[in-house]
Amino acid sequence: DSGVTQTPKHLITATGQRVTLRCSPRSGDLSVYWYQQSLDQGLQFLIQYYNGEERAKGNILERFSAQQFPDLHSELNLSSLELGDSALYFCASSVVGVTDTQYFGPGTRLTVL
Amino acid sequence: GENVEQHPSTLSVQEGDSAVIKCTYSDSASNYFPWYKQELGKRPQLIIDIRSNVGEKKDQRIAVTLNKTAKHFSLHITETQPEDSAVYFCAAADTTSGTYKYIFGTGTRLKVLA
Repeated sequence: DSGVTQTPKHLITATGQRVTLRCSPRSGDLSVYWYQQSLDQGLQFLIQYYNGEERAKGNILERFSAQQFPDLHSELNLSSLELGDSALYFCASSVVGVTDTQYFGPGTRLTVL
Repeated sequence: GENVEQHPSTLSVQEGDSAVIKCTYSDSASNYFPWYKQELGKRPQLIIDIRSNVGEKKDQRIAVTLNKTAKHFSLHITETQPEDSAVYFCAAADTTSGTYKYIFGTGTRLKVLA
C-alpha cells in the first residue's frame, strides 16, 4: 500500500458525460500527478500540481481539467467523454517535485460506453 | 515533438540471465530518467532513477546507464528471477524549465522463464 488513495475504483459511464476522479496523496506529500494508461497509448503524464498550484502539463486534453485543494487532495475532471477516454487513470504523489520518488495510487478504471 | 523510444517491446530471458532494456530520448534538455516496474494488474513503482550529471547508478541487481551524447539510457537487470517479470517503463523529464515535460517510453514486457 503506497498511502495514495483514489476513488472510485471503477467508473462506467456513457459518451458525452462528465466524471470526477479523486485522489488523496500520502501524508506530507505536496505534489500530485495524474497519469492515463490505455492499451494503445501506454502510460501518459497528464498534469502535476504542487501545493495547490499547477506545476506542469503533459498531454492533457482541453476536455480534462484538474485541481488541488487546500487539504492537498486532487480531482481530475473529464468532460464530453469519448470512447477513447476509456483507460486506467493513476494518481501519484511525491514530497515536492518530479525527481522525488512518486508513489502511485491503485488507479481508477474508467469505461466509456 | 519530443518522444522516448523504448526497445524491445517484449523480452524473454531464462532465470539467472541478464536483461537489458534500452531507451532513446529526443529532448536534449532532459535531465532526469526514472524507470518504473508495473506488475500485472498493479500500479507502477519506481525502481531506479538517474540524473544527467551521473553516468551510471546501481542498486543491487538493477543498474541504469546514461549516455548523454547519444541520448540513450538503459536498464540492466542481472541474475533475473521470476518475480522480475513485469512491464518496465522508462521516462525522460526536463526539470530545468519552469514547466517540465515528462515523457514515457512505450514499455517492455519482461518474462523471466523458470
